[in-house]
Amino acid sequence: DAGVTQSPTHLIKTRGQQVTLRCSPKSGHDTVSWYQQALGQGPQFIFQYYEEEERQRGNFPDRFSGHQFPNYSSELNVNALLLGDSALYLCASSPPRGGGPWRDTQYFGPGTRLTVL
Amino acid sequence: RKEVEQDPGPFNVPEGATVAFNCTYSNSASQSFFWYRQDCRKEPKLLMSVYSSGNEDGRFTAQLNRASQYISLLIRDSKLSDSATYLCVVNPKLTGGGNKLTFGTGTQLKVEL
Repeated sequence: DAGVTQSPTHLIKTRGQQVTLRCSPKSGHDTVSWYQQALGQGPQFIFQYYEEEERQRGNFPDRFSGHQFPNYSSELNVNALLLGDSALYLCASSPPRGGGPWRDTQYFGPGTRLTVL
Repeated sequence: RKEVEQDPGPFNVPEGATVAFNCTYSNSASQSFFWYRQDCRKEPKLLMSVYSSGNEDGRFTAQLNRASQYISLLIRDSKLSDSATYLCVVNPKLTGGGNKLTFGTGTQLKVEL
């Protein structure tokens, strides 16, 4: 049973460039969330996708956008990169809603480490 | 005030010791609570969910006090392999459905021989 997968593992970009990160959720999961984790900090919520729509969004500028595909995989796009965007970007998936104590549980992928020079 | 607050540590303890981590959260409407473990340069991994009745998983015990908006994690008989950062996580109640996890900055634990 494959867990959450992300690509690429590492990425180096320069200021002003654009980047696309990819995520495949755990088998059977239909909801994907994206988080940004700066060094020494806890992950910060960017947004969540369900049924191919953005359902919730954190305090991130419009430079951060996403997409979810019919197969539940997802992309995170960041435009006009800033030095401060350097971080570990984590994708998390969660199972279909339907009640029960595990409906809120999210499982994380290994992340994409983005360095902006 | 931060939504989720934790003591960043580090907590340096000898093998076999009992160690306790505490966490407070600001949103009284929060609906679910978790402890995640994160090893250096790795992704967070779910350690356990936290319920009002308290729950135990082997050497780990988690407690939730909704009135005080306080969450705790107790690790008994610490092992070297317990060395990691422990993240307190809260899922606030959101309008429009969906959920987002709100993380503390994490508490670093180092278990030493």
